[in-house]
Amino acid sequence: EAGVTQFPSHSVIEKGQTVTLRCDPISGHDNLYWYRRVMGKEIKFLLHFVKESKQDESGMPNNRFLAERTGGTYSTLKVQPAELEDSGVYFCASSQGRGRIDEQFFGPGTRLTVL
Amino acid sequence: GQQLNQSPQSMFIQEGEDVSMNCTSSSIFNTWLWYKQDPGEGPVLLIALYKAGELTSNGRLTAQFGITRKDSFLNISASIPSDVGIYFCVRAGGTSYGKLTFGQGTILTVHP
Repeated sequence: EAGVTQFPSHSVIEKGQTVTLRCDPISGHDNLYWYRRVMGKEIKFLLHFVKESKQDESGMPNNRFLAERTGGTYSTLKVQPAELEDSGVYFCASSQGRGRIDEQFFGPGTRLTVL
Repeated sequence: GQQLNQSPQSMFIQEGEDVSMNCTSSSIFNTWLWYKQDPGEGPVLLIALYKAGELTSNGRLTAQFGITRKDSFLNISASIPSDVGIYFCVRAGGTSYGKLTFGQGTILTVHP
């Protein structure tokens, strides 16, 4: 079974440009999460989808970030316009939404560098 | 907001040595998780703890949920080179179902 995949693996853009990150969750997983780790900080929650609906977007830093999950399958996270402080690694995770632990499976991340 | 204090920040050990790391919080947890991130990969769940005082093992890994529900430790026995990576203590759920709160991580380096 394929794991969570993310594209691209790396992205280098200039301040002010737009970048779109994509996440493909494990097939059948209703829950999809975005996290990010900026330099020197801990991994922080951004938002949580249940199917196509946003369950919790309390971690989104500002309105330059837009996440979508049309059709409840893959998700995109767009940053527009990008700022220097947006640099970091963006992780996507998915889970079934059932069971005692509802384990979240993480993708390898997208490393975003804003110059 | 919720904050986890994880220590040590980094460890450099020889292969075969035992390792211990811990995590504390100012608030009570209902679930502690320990994740490991290998270089170039995303975090992977190692151990989940649900009850105060619970001691759980996964191979050479042992983790305990503190009695006060505000702390946890992770031990690795007889370390091997593939133990290299970043270990995170993680809080699950809380005010938002599904949201994970990560500690700062412990970077482990194992010298052969």
